[in-house]
Amino acid sequence: EAEVAQSPRYKITEKSQAVAFWCDPISGHATLYWYRQILGQGPELLVQFQDESVVDDSQLPKDRFSAERLKGVDSTLKIQPAELGDSAMYLCASGPWASIETDTQYFGPGTRLTVL
Amino acid sequence: DQQVKQNSPSLSVQEGRISILNCDYTNSMFDYFLWYKKYPAEGPTFLISISSIKDKNEDGRFTVFLNKSAKHLSLHIVPSQPGDSAVYFCAASVTGNTGKLIFGQGTTLQVKP
Repeated sequence: EAEVAQSPRYKITEKSQAVAFWCDPISGHATLYWYRQILGQGPELLVQFQDESVVDDSQLPKDRFSAERLKGVDSTLKIQPAELGDSAMYLCASGPWASIETDTQYFGPGTRLTVL
Repeated sequence: DQQVKQNSPSLSVQEGRISILNCDYTNSMFDYFLWYKKYPAEGPTFLISISSIKDKNEDGRFTVFLNKSAKHLSLHIVPSQPGDSAVYFCAASVTGNTGKLIFGQGTTLQVKP
């Protein structure tokens, strides 16, 4: 069964350092999403790609976060500099192009970030 | 503004009994609803979905009910099994828009043997 791959699974860093997360979506999925989940809350969308184009980055803190999907396949999310409040689970999801009853997203295992 | 709400942070049921998880939404534009299950240190796993043209969708032990007039959906698990113990998230989207999912806060289900 095809899965969304993410790495690393865990990352511990000190504040002000740079971190990067990688995601490889399910083959053939044009849409890729990065979510952040804080403990006790539901995932919140950070950025959405359709192929290599950004569709929605309204919730991405652009002063420190950046995301790219250069060839429309895998994607990288970067934080520079990391702050204590960035400690969370970062989830990548992919899905086929939105249409009725196929607007389902499939999630990877996530990257647990701890900022010290 | 919390557009999708799961008002029960936790639920405990006995193995073999029915588990009912509830979710309310405020945005009448939502037309596609999903339930995800999440184990600790793992990503959410898609369980079941329903579009607004239906009021019920069933998949094995899982059934989702949608009441559009009340802006309420529920997930029924029958019979509940210890392996169902996890955090359950409901999510909603406006199909044909960007596909962005809005999640509730989650309900932790514990199924006791």
